[in-house]
Amino acid sequence: RKEVEQDPGPFNVPEGATVAFNCTYSNSASQSFFWYRQDCRKEPKLLMSVYSSGNEDGRFTAQLNRASQYISLLIRDSKLSDSATYLCVVTGMNRDDKIIFGKGTRLHILP
Amino acid sequence: DAGITQSPRHKVTETGTPVTLRCHQTENHRYMYWYRQDPGHGLRLIHYSYGVKDTDKGEVSDGYSVSRSKTEDFLLTLESATSSQTSVYFCAIRIGAGASGELFFGEGSRLTVL
Repeated sequence: RKEVEQDPGPFNVPEGATVAFNCTYSNSASQSFFWYRQDCRKEPKLLMSVYSSGNEDGRFTAQLNRASQYISLLIRDSKLSDSATYLCVVTGMNRDDKIIFGKGTRLHILP
Repeated sequence: DAGITQSPRHKVTETGTPVTLRCHQTENHRYMYWYRQDPGHGLRLIHYSYGVKDTDKGEVSDGYSVSRSKTEDFLLTLESATSSQTSVYFCAIRIGAGASGELFFGEGSRLTVL
């Protein structure tokens, strides 16, 4: 099993729809989880951290399911500007713990 | 803005020449990283640093060396560039609670080796 797995997509979603991605991880000792957004030919940018209790930021909701070892990202009322690649990131608490990036899920919002 | 800049942003060079990429930060963060990103591979860690003169290898370190003589600068050197090192290179700094903080990336350095 890969350390971090994401569906590469692309997800083609009409504007205004709700879309959700999952990201599975293999190391049950993982402690920190993040979602990043990357636009074409740009650097990854932090979208949101994922907390154990789940968290919401506007139209974006992130959740962590430790029992099944996955994190999720839900985007409501999707906008054309949400088109990007979404990367999940998993790491531990110690300096030597690896920071594992998923390969990303591509999202295309259709007008 | 995490105060991280990379230079050069674009470079074309020939096989066998040395290349140095610079990552500069303005906020004295301890943890700094160099990644490369290629289609189909995602982000792969080359080298990382936990402080001045404290560096270690990542998963794709062959052909690369790094130096960190000052907190603010993390240099990545290709001693003898090869075409397989054509890539986009991202520097990142880690911000927040120790080793669990978020990464913030520079804008990237696009390197082409002919």
